[in-house]
Amino acid sequence: QKEVEQDPGPLSVPEGAIVSLNCTYSNSAFQYFMWYRQYSRKGPELLMYTYSSGNKEDGRFTAQVDKSSKYISLFIRDSQPSDSATYLCAMRTGRGNKLTFGTGTQLKVEL
Amino acid sequence: GAGVSQSPRYKVTKRGQDVALRCDPISGHVSLYWYRQALGQGPEFLTYFNYEAQQDKSGLPNDRFSAERPEGSISTLTIQRTEQRDSAMYRCASSSTPDTQYFGPGTRLTVL
Repeated sequence: QKEVEQDPGPLSVPEGAIVSLNCTYSNSAFQYFMWYRQYSRKGPELLMYTYSSGNKEDGRFTAQVDKSSKYISLFIRDSQPSDSATYLCAMRTGRGNKLTFGTGTQLKVEL
Repeated sequence: GAGVSQSPRYKVTKRGQDVALRCDPISGHVSLYWYRQALGQGPEFLTYFNYEAQQDKSGLPNDRFSAERPEGSISTLTIQRTEQRDSAMYRCASSSTPDTQYFGPGTRLTVL
């Protein structure tokens, strides 16, 4: 079993929809959580990071962490075709800087 | 300033050859990381440095892989006696804090 599980998709939604992307993890030592966006043939781009349970909002993006359920989510409001990309969750324990990534969810926002 | 840069962007080599991949981090970033990303997968940690000190090399697959950052800036990942299974995208990242790792464009390594 992988430490971080993420549905690879693809997920296809119409423009303007609310998108929910999720990851589950098995290692209770994970304390810090990030979301990256990766366009085709590009490097991962940091979107958000958080370390506490609850919600963190940044523009159209909201990151949600539920440590008791070992479950994290990224919500995208008013999705745009430019949001079409692969979204990767990543996390680390409090010891060291190593990130453990999910496999990524491919999102397509259609006109 | 400029982001993380990596060179070469593409490297094709024959099995058994040694390769050196270079990473130039964002200026002033203390930490530098190496990851490997297979197609359809997330990046997989290899190793990281704080300044010139290698803090964690637990992700290096075997002793053919090594990395250095002698002056605390540019880093080189070296793979000796390459094998076909080493073919992948090798990504470098740098950061000033652990949770804000910024990735470079990667080096696509193909071992024939």
